[in-house]
Amino acid sequence: QKEVEQNSGPLSVPEGAIASLNCTYSDRGSQSFFWYRQYSGKSPELIMSIYSNGDKEDGRFTAQLNKASQYVSLLIRDSQPSDSATYLCAAVMNRDDKIIFGKGTRLHILP
Amino acid sequence: DTGVSQDPRHKITKRGQNVTFRCDPISEHNRLYWYRQTLGQGPEFLTYFQNEAQLEKSRLLSDRFSAERPKGSFSTLEIQRTEQGDSAMYLCASSLDQGGWTEAFFGQGTRLTVV
Repeated sequence: QKEVEQNSGPLSVPEGAIASLNCTYSDRGSQSFFWYRQYSGKSPELIMSIYSNGDKEDGRFTAQLNKASQYVSLLIRDSQPSDSATYLCAAVMNRDDKIIFGKGTRLHILP
Repeated sequence: DTGVSQDPRHKITKRGQNVTFRCDPISEHNRLYWYRQTLGQGPEFLTYFQNEAQLEKSRLLSDRFSAERPKGSFSTLEIQRTEQGDSAMYLCASSLDQGGWTEAFFGQGTRLTVV
């Protein structure tokens, strides 16, 4: 089992709709989780961090964490064409504090 | 300086040559990570440092790869006897580790092409 898993997509969402991105992780002791956005040819940009069970909102973004299910998600409300990118889920491994990334989910917002 | 800086941004080298990349982290960040990313994949962990101490090197990494962080400031990643399979984006990230909750910020990356 990979340490952080994401569906590679592409996920296509109409402009203005909610995009839902999902991630699972294998290290049950992990406490810190991050979502990064990466545009083609660019480096990853941190957009959200979450450490506690439940929801965390920042503007149009909401991160959700369920430690019992080892599941992290990112919701993007009112999706814009500029949201089209690859979204990377990352987790800090409990055993050694490494930050491990998933393969990323490609998101296309359809105008 | 407000961000992680990597140099060079692009490197084209012939197979068999050695290359060295530099990463300058955000000031006062004590953690520094190196990742490698190929097309369609997420960043693959290579190694990381806490101050000047190298905590772990990926088991997937051959002995041709070495990294240093003298004095706990900038870091270098060297690849000896480059192979075409080494072509990738090499990413550096830094964070301030205060016992957990380590948000890491990336530099612009160094794109290596081995011909």
